[in-house]
Order: sequence, then C-alpha cells, then structure tokens
Amino acid sequence: GAVVSQHPSRVICKSGTSVKIECRSLDFQATTMFWYRQFPKQSLMLMATSNEGSKATYEQGVEKDKFLINHASLTLSTLTVTSAHPEDSSFYICSATGTGVLANYGYTFGSGTRLTVV
Amino acid sequence: GIQVEQSPPDLILQEGANSTLRCNFSDSVNNLQWFHQNPWGQLINLFYIPSGTKQNGRLSATTVATERYSLLYISSSQTTDSGVYFCAVADYKLSFGAGTTVTVRA
Repeated sequence: GAVVSQHPSRVICKSGTSVKIECRSLDFQATTMFWYRQFPKQSLMLMATSNEGSKATYEQGVEKDKFLINHASLTLSTLTVTSAHPEDSSFYICSATGTGVLANYGYTFGSGTRLTVV
Repeated sequence: GIQVEQSPPDLILQEGANSTLRCNFSDSVNNLQWFHQNPWGQLINLFYIPSGTKQNGRLSATTVATERYSLLYISSSQTTDSGVYFCAVADYKLSFGAGTTVTVRA
C-alpha cells in the first residue's frame, strides 16, 4: 500500500520552455503532497507543501511564479517549472501522505524526475 | 525548522562488517524515517520509526524520542547496501539530514 507514481522520470527541455511533472497516489487519497529538490551529492530540500484544493505553501527562497504547484484532486499534484533555465536543472521528488497512510507508512515518495535544461 | 544531523558523513566498510549510523534531531517529532537512496535516485523507505525498535532482515533501527536520536544498524553488510542513507524527521513537514554515504567493498 501507499504507492506514489511520478512522471516523467527524466526530461530534457530547451531554455525558456515550461515542463510539467506529475505525482499521483495510486492506492490512497493524498490529502497532502510535498515537492522536494535535490542537487547532486546534496540532501533533499523541501520546496513546497500542498493540500488538496488549496494553494501551495512555498518554503522561503522558492519562487512561486517559477514553480507552479497544483493539487486539484486527492490523487494528483503537478509541478510546472516555468520558463526553465539551466540553473533549474535538478532532481525533483514528490511525496504524499493521507489519512491512515502516515501512521502506517510515514511519508511515501515518488521515484523522482531528473530535469535537464539545455 | 527542525535541525537534523547525521553521522558519520561517509562510511567505508568491508563486506560482512557491521555498522551504526546516527541521526540527532533538535526538537520533538511525530515522525522519523530512514531511507536508502539508490544510484537512480529513488528513495527506498527502510523504516518508519518515530519511537522504539524495528528490524527488517539485516537492518534494524532504534529511536529514542526523549533523547532526540535514532540509530540505524546494518549487519553483515553487502555491496548492495552501498548508497546514501537519509534520516528524515517531521512535526508536519519532513526535513532531511545531510545523509551518510556508505560504500561497501567486496
């Protein structure tokens, strides 16, 4: 139980374009989803927290206009990197939890998306 | 936010050796998890252990919440145990430590 699917696993895009990353909970209702960013050989840094049907809460220093997060349903959250630039190249990972999930499994993570902006 | 410190930062082991990884955290938490990140970046959830002791095969973990630390034990290490081990804690948002990079040599 508590499976999170993330797509795509890797994407290469041109500078100036936008990229959308999807995070789906497959067997539970994800009331809360989190988006993390990881640079090479570093730890995971929380970017934002989203609750279903509400606006995302961004961590300090994260540009909300660049990283658009939508959590419109209990099984899907999306992260859109707008007007991507090479410095946005990174590994992005989503996490989800929901009623009954946290107590049994903790926070569950997707498999990550490696974004390369050229 | 909650501060998470992991030690050691790097660990080199001979196959078959045992090891202990430590995680200290700065405040009371509702959740503590240990993860293994594989070479492809995927986070494998090893333990959800806000308190107490759990075992899963050659791995075990103990969290002493009142003293704000957790330990991950690897016994009879294998080369497949290599990778980065993260401790993450939460009151609500999950915060990660810097990780311990484990290298197991054959």
